[in-house]
Amino acid sequence: EAGVAQSPRYKIIEKRQSVAFWCNPISGHATLYWYQQILGQGPKLLIQFQNNGVVDDSQLPKDRFSAERLKGVDSTLKIQPAKLEDSAVYLCASSFPTPGDTHFGPGTRLTVT
Amino acid sequence: DQQVKQNSPSLSVQEGRISILNCDYTNSMFDYFLWYKKYPAEGPTFLISISSIKDKNEDGRFTVFLNKSAKHLSLHIVPSQPGDSAVYFCAASPLSGGYQKVTFGTGTKLQVIP
Repeated sequence: EAGVAQSPRYKIIEKRQSVAFWCNPISGHATLYWYQQILGQGPKLLIQFQNNGVVDDSQLPKDRFSAERLKGVDSTLKIQPAKLEDSAVYLCASSFPTPGDTHFGPGTRLTVT
Repeated sequence: DQQVKQNSPSLSVQEGRISILNCDYTNSMFDYFLWYKKYPAEGPTFLISISSIKDKNEDGRFTVFLNKSAKHLSLHIVPSQPGDSAVYFCAASPLSGGYQKVTFGTGTKLQVIP
């Protein structure tokens, strides 16, 4: 079984620039998550999709972050414009709607200078 | 507001001994609890879970204990092995609405010394 794929693995940008991350979940997983993990903290849920509909985006800074999941498969997360405090690892995860079997991708490490 | 707390940022244990990782939570709506393991440069990997109707769940060397009255859970690893060295995240979720919303703790870095 192929795992959750993410790209790029690393990205360095200057503040006020834009950046986009891509995620391909495990085939058949209807639920897709984007998490932000700041150094020394646990992952924080940014947005959760069920198929291509959003079920939770309460912690997504909507003035600068956006995410979409076209056709209920791949997803992109965009930041525009980036701030220094956005430096973090962005984790994509997917699952069936059953607690426990959530599979994480390797993450994208973003550095904003 | 940290709803899931792991108060020990790090733990060192000798190989073959027991590792005990602790976690406290504050939200009474949580009724499903998970432990994840994370190696550097990789995403977290699901390890073991427990629902609030149980007080213990065991999977090989890993056992999770839940004390609902104290809002406390712990992960026991026996015997500890060097390959267990990683960051362990405690997580919790309410089971409602047909999907889970998982809140993570800050993690405990376990080092198993050969």
